[in-house]
Amino acid sequence: KAGVTQTPRYLIKTRGQQVTLSCSPISGHRSVSWYQQTPGQGLQFLFEYFSETQRNKGNFPGRFSGRQFSNSRSEMNVSTLELGDSALYLCASSLEGVGTEAFFGQGTRLTVV
Amino acid sequence: EDQVTQSPEALRLQEGESSSLNCSYTVSGLRGLFWYRQDPGKGPEFLFTLYSAGEEKEKERLKATLTKKESFLHITAPKPEDSATYLCALNSGGYQKVTFGIGTKLQVIP
Repeated sequence: KAGVTQTPRYLIKTRGQQVTLSCSPISGHRSVSWYQQTPGQGLQFLFEYFSETQRNKGNFPGRFSGRQFSNSRSEMNVSTLELGDSALYLCASSLEGVGTEAFFGQGTRLTVV
Repeated sequence: EDQVTQSPEALRLQEGESSSLNCSYTVSGLRGLFWYRQDPGKGPEFLFTLYSAGEEKEKERLKATLTKKESFLHITAPKPEDSATYLCALNSGGYQKVTFGIGTKLQVIP
């Protein structure tokens, strides 16, 4: 069965721009969660969507937003990019939510210059 | 606030040299503790879920155990292909919240 697909794999943006990342979960999974991974902070939870509704949100500024479509695909948007937003962005899909077994995509490597 | 601390940060083993990775935690109401493996440039891969103190799970050369304050990932006779970063995460307060540790980077030398 197909895994979690994230696009694009790599992205270079300049400060002040905005970016949209995409995540297609495993078929049948209704929960999609997003994480930011940096060497110093590890995996930090951004937010989780379940059946098109945001169920929980981590401690990130409002520049980080997301949405989920009826087919469970999810997008994450970051506006007004800052240098500190450079990171690996991972999405994970699961049947019931972030507190259960999750399957991660390979991530999108975002570099802000 | 939930906290997860993994130690050591990095571990270098000779092939066949068994060892353990530690994940200590403080949480109000643990609902599950997870172990993941992450290879460079890839997303984490699920290994185990433990729910209550005393529980143990095994998979090939890996065995995870759980107490009320910590979890151990025991690696028996590791091989070079076991080299990866091992992440511990815990879930508390329902399905919506999970906290990850920074991980232990394991290198197994032939």
